[in-house]
Amino acid sequence: QSVLTQPPSVSAAPGQKVTISCAGSSSHIGNNYVSWYQQFPGTAPKLLIYDNNKRPSGIPDRFSGSKSGTSATLGITGLQTGDEADYYCGTWDSSLSSYVFGTGTRVTVL
Amino acid sequence: QITLKESGPTLVKPTQTLTLTCTFSGFSLSTNGVGVGWIRQPPGKALEWLALIYWDDDQLYSPSLKSRLTVTRDTSKNQVVLTMTNMDPVDTATYYCAHRRVGAMIFDYWGQGALVTVSS
Repeated sequence: QSVLTQPPSVSAAPGQKVTISCAGSSSHIGNNYVSWYQQFPGTAPKLLIYDNNKRPSGIPDRFSGSKSGTSATLGITGLQTGDEADYYCGTWDSSLSSYVFGTGTRVTVL
Repeated sequence: QITLKESGPTLVKPTQTLTLTCTFSGFSLSTNGVGVGWIRQPPGKALEWLALIYWDDDQLYSPSLKSRLTVTRDTSKNQVVLTMTNMDPVDTATYYCAHRRVGAMIFDYWGQGALVTVSS
């Protein structure tokens, strides 16, 4: 049902870097800002990145966001065991007049 | 400090109507630009946006669920109510309400979520 496609999982060793892609189209990512949400098991999602690349107060600069065309990317550097969570992209779909989330990506620290 | 909390039944029967209440603090739904959204997440699955109500009482709904959803607000009680009709087992999910940042489609504060199971 999600219109934004993410890889199901990514993994890396502690200290390494991971990137998570979010693929969409011109009706959403291409013409709207992208947000990223972090969700630990059994808890509510938390805003991690907004307006493609901005971090809310308190979010470390190990987390970064970017957008190019109809895709967005979340990067996590200096990976920590505490980063193990599910990550979702989200944006407005102008053609559907609907907010859409990505399929979600599980980050595993090896 | 913005907080939100969902409340409602944990179990509903198929075909019944679900009513969930989001009680919030730290902002007013009468303030220009403010919005409260509803998002759900079936067990082990992705987030799905359901609806949004604005400070001016304008509402937006997921196209796929629009016929079954109604969202209302009570500004005096700082509450938003989501109603979903004709519940089905596939509607079993954790339902979240969230604060929409003023002037932007960003959900910056979320409630803890309410798990609703649909079963006879």
